[in-house]
Amino acid sequence: DIQMTQSPSSLSASVGDRVTITCRASQSISAYLNWYQQKPGKAPKLLIFAAYSLQSGVPSRFSGSRSGTDFTLTISNLQPEDFATYYCQQGYNIPRTFGHGTKVEI
Amino acid sequence: EVQLAESGGNLVQPGGSLRLSCAASGFTFSSYSMNWVRQAPGKGLEWVSDISSGGTTASYADSVKGRFTISRDNAKNSLFLQMNSLRDEDTAVYYCARGGFGSGSYYLDIWGQGTLVTVSS
Repeated sequence: DIQMTQSPSSLSASVGDRVTITCRASQSISAYLNWYQQKPGKAPKLLIFAAYSLQSGVPSRFSGSRSGTDFTLTISNLQPEDFATYYCQQGYNIPRTFGHGTKVEI
Repeated sequence: EVQLAESGGNLVQPGGSLRLSCAASGFTFSSYSMNWVRQAPGKGLEWVSDISSGGTTASYADSVKGRFTISRDNAKNSLFLQMNSLRDEDTAVYYCARGGFGSGSYYLDIWGQGTLVTVSS
């Protein structure tokens, strides 16, 4: 199975900050990496698919990048509604493994 | 509006069985693969199972293989998860989620609100 290692597990930030979350795959997954946002008590929401592509309706302050098996989610100009937990998920094969999550808090 | 709505979660004893349902609306259900993803209390997301659009192919996480069975009824726009031999560690919120491909990457783009399964004596 492909392991997804996310870092950090949590971070503190302020409104207006630029935040970076990293996800590393245990083997090559090409660019088949997706990012989700989850708020407490709510279902996850797809933010970015295929490493770079913004899901419809997601603000442009969210962006994704890739370097080999390392993937990055960047949130520019952090907004109050962005405080949440973020998960990566490999879209390469089964089982469809998730990272352990990064909690972004104030 | 595109929606998924899970039901069937409950308190069940270890070794017991439960059947979850997911009702889809607002899209052509028969055109999409579907998934179950779970989240134990205070923990991260764990993919459980998926099924092809026609219902002919299913896959499972090792943690549930042989105990859980995914199925669907395209005529009724419904997805199911039959859970047998339940264990304490199966306690979680179970989400159904629509699958799709974008630039080759398989993603989960529509999620239900989740249904809570508690396994406890």
